[in-house]
Amino acid sequence: KAGVTQTPRYLIKTRGQQVTLSCSPISGHRSVSWYQQTPGQGLQFLFEYFSETQRNKGNFPGRFSGRQFSNSRSEMNVSTLELGDSALYLCASSTVAGTQETQYFGPGTRLLVL
Amino acid sequence: AQSVTQLGSHVSVSEGALVLLRCNYSSSVPPYLFWYVQYPNQGLQLLLKYTTGATLVKGINGFEAEFKKSETSFHLTKPSAHMSDAAEYFCAVSGTGGTSYGKLTFGQGTILTVHP
Repeated sequence: KAGVTQTPRYLIKTRGQQVTLSCSPISGHRSVSWYQQTPGQGLQFLFEYFSETQRNKGNFPGRFSGRQFSNSRSEMNVSTLELGDSALYLCASSTVAGTQETQYFGPGTRLLVL
Repeated sequence: AQSVTQLGSHVSVSEGALVLLRCNYSSSVPPYLFWYVQYPNQGLQLLLKYTTGATLVKGINGFEAEFKKSETSFHLTKPSAHMSDAAEYFCAVSGTGGTSYGKLTFGQGTILTVHP
């Protein structure tokens, strides 16, 4: 079974631009979570989608948004990029709705904002 | 709200020595606890998790962890380190209920270095 895939793997943008990252979960997984990883702040939860609905959201500004499609694929969008948005963005998928379920992580998208 | 503290941002051991990575958590509800490993330029891989039941949890690659409620700890151990264990390790906690859906709260990570 294929793992979680994320595209693109690397991205360079300039301040003020917007970016869309994509995540394809493991087949059969309906929950997708997104995280931001930076050296200073570590791993921080962005949001989670289950059956096309956002069920949970972390403490990030409204510039960060996401959505999930009927096939469980998810995208996240960051508008008006800032230098501080440079990070590794990880998505993770899990089978069902329970909080005890294992989250399986993709390789991440490394975003550099210049 | 949950939080996780990993004691020691860097741990260095010799090959064959005991590996001990410390994790303490804070949770207002019974926690679910996880250890993940991250190799350079890769995502996170689950080592083991505790949900309910036996407090000593065995994971992949010879790692294990013990859930101690009285000490709010979930330390990760491995009897004999291998060079391939060099990586960054993250302890994470998840609670129950709506505010925990899909959300893992991570510690700051511990970089493990293994010397020959």
